[in-house]
Amino acid sequence: EIVMTQSPATLSVSPGERATLSCRASQSVSSNLAWYQHKPGQGPRLLIYGASTRATGIPARFSGSGSGTEFTLTISSLQSEDFAVYYCQQYNNWPPGTFGQGTKVEIK
Amino acid sequence: QVTLKESGPVLVKPTETLTLTCTVSGFSLSNARVGVSWIRQPPGKALEWLAHIFSNDEKSYSTSLKSRLTISKDTSKSQVVLTMTNMDPVDTATYYCARTKISGLAVAGYDYWGQGTLVTVSS
Repeated sequence: EIVMTQSPATLSVSPGERATLSCRASQSVSSNLAWYQHKPGQGPRLLIYGASTRATGIPARFSGSGSGTEFTLTISSLQSEDFAVYYCQQYNNWPPGTFGQGTKVEIK
Repeated sequence: QVTLKESGPVLVKPTETLTLTCTVSGFSLSNARVGVSWIRQPPGKALEWLAHIFSNDEKSYSTSLKSRLTISKDTSKSQVVLTMTNMDPVDTATYYCARTKISGLAVAGYDYWGQGTLVTVSS
């Protein structure tokens, strides 16, 4: 099973600042990686697929990069609604398509 | 507007069987390459994929839970049902259903999720 490792576990950021989240795969997943935003009481929201393609309706401040085993999600200027938990998921080996443990982006 | 909504018991006893229903709207379970997965998240832990069903009735199960899971669909009711036997307190989790996103001809994540339903396993 491919293990996805996210860092950091928690990221404290001030509104308007840039946030950079990392995701590492235990073996290459090519560009078959998705990012999700998860808020309490809601289902996760697809932000990015194909490592860098924004999903429908996702603001341009969200961007994804990387391939192989190293991936990054960047939020260029954090808005109040962006404070949430973010998960990466590989689907190169799907099913099961494993998820990372998540990075919580909190207000500094 | 695509929506998915999970329903089922909030509390089950150890050894009982859990039955969860995912009711979808805004798309048909009979559309080509449409698929729905069940995914769970124990408190404080990572998301864990459980099972999947495609519109052609092709099914997949988590290797570690395969013996306990059954997934099925009723296209006329727009529902996907998951049963999990022999429930244990470690199965306490929020259970989500999610629609697979298809890019080209392959799965590319999940584009719509239900809000989840918390199931507690306790006597």
